[in-house]
Amino acid sequence: GEDVEQSLFLSVREGDSSVINCTYTDSSSTYLYWYKQEPGAGLQLLTYIFSNMDMKQDQRLTVLLNKKDKHLSLRIADTQTGDSAIYFCAEFEGAGNNRKLIWGLGTSLAVNP
Amino acid sequence: DAGVIQSPRHEVTEMGQEVTLRCKPISGHNSLFWYRQTMMRGLELLIYFNNNVPIDDSGMPEDRFSAKMPNASFSTLKIQPSEPRDSAVYFCASSPEGGAGYEQYFGPGTRLTVT
Repeated sequence: GEDVEQSLFLSVREGDSSVINCTYTDSSSTYLYWYKQEPGAGLQLLTYIFSNMDMKQDQRLTVLLNKKDKHLSLRIADTQTGDSAIYFCAEFEGAGNNRKLIWGLGTSLAVNP
Repeated sequence: DAGVIQSPRHEVTEMGQEVTLRCKPISGHNSLFWYRQTMMRGLELLIYFNNNVPIDDSGMPEDRFSAKMPNASFSTLKIQPSEPRDSAVYFCASSPEGGAGYEQYFGPGTRLTVT
């Protein structure tokens, strides 16, 4: 079945760039997502990329998609302590009324001052 | 819009008791999802509805769990009887039809502790 995999932990220094990686298995996925979860809160959509795109940039966030390798990455430039959170990768599955997201386990990002 | 609303935010109950979690999706969204999050298993999809109709309940752990969506603005997740292993954070999320990428919007979650 479909599967989304992420590394569980990442630690960076404040001001450095963070790169969070994700691999997925469903080559027919049309949308791929990055969500952020801060402590004690729900998941918040950060950004998404459509499968016909290679890159999407939104302020400090850059998403890269390699469809051949089924690899998705999220780069956070100038990482701040407020970026400390769990980051989830997800792929869209389904069509019509039968549609859902397949989630990775999340990458816990620790930003050290 | 107030976003997805969940109640209660915290619930502590004893084993064997019935627990009802509530969710109000974002107005106009036509899909609703119930998730469970634990350290061991991560984020698990329990059930989701489209236009108030359950589409996939394969993630519901067992018959002790049930979910309803009587109308477009309200859903419940019930556990009866509850067990300590049900302790988790339960999230509700809603999604607009045809929205850009069918993104899901999450509520703040209900932290359930069963003693």
